[in-house]
Amino acid sequence: KQEVTQIPAALSVPEGENLVLNCSFTDSAIYNLQWFRQDPGKGLTSLLLIQSSQREQTSGRLNASLDKSSGRSTLYIAASQPGDSATYLCAVVNTGFQKLVFGTGTRLLVSP
Amino acid sequence: EPEVTQTPSHQVTQMGQEVILRCVPISNHLYFYWYRQILGQKVEFLVSFYNNEISEKSEIFDDQFSVERPDGSNFTLKIRSTKLEDSAMYFCASSGTGSGSLTGYTFGSGTRLTVV
Repeated sequence: KQEVTQIPAALSVPEGENLVLNCSFTDSAIYNLQWFRQDPGKGLTSLLLIQSSQREQTSGRLNASLDKSSGRSTLYIAASQPGDSATYLCAVVNTGFQKLVFGTGTRLLVSP
Repeated sequence: EPEVTQTPSHQVTQMGQEVILRCVPISNHLYFYWYRQILGQKVEFLVSFYNNEISEKSEIFDDQFSVERPDGSNFTLKIRSTKLEDSAMYFCASSGTGSGSLTGYTFGSGTRLTVV
């Protein structure tokens, strides 16, 4: 059974810092991995999608990497801003399945 | 950018009542999903739907739950007799392929269901 874990559970940084969020999964037979952002009481906004054959994806200040064999992904946020404050969720789809398995999330607070 | 639309945004219901949560997926997507998030917990998969039938479901999705695509645009989740533990945020999602391989999964903004 796929288990997805995110470290740290919470992170508080001053504006301008570069930061790394970690995601690990127990079953490496994934089809893809997707990073989402969730604002309090709101829906899930897709940030980046990485296919299993890819090593990384970039969008603006965000960069996500994937090491499938070791069961890890990282989300790198450059030059953090207060508007980046949210919960960041990692989710994987296993090969042959359709469902996303979500991690516990990292709650990020960027202070001005 | 295309969106998944969910209504209502918040619903309060009495225990034992039936509720229907509504979703309008992205128009050219073929796969539809329901997930839920109990306050403070992980987002959990409930069911996936393709070609007018359930293609995958979790152990949470028991006989109290059902899904339907009543027309070409709406996708609904029905809970027949709500329990207190059904209180959660329910998210609808859609994707162009079954594994979200092309553009990933797009989620709606959710319906917060409160059972009293």
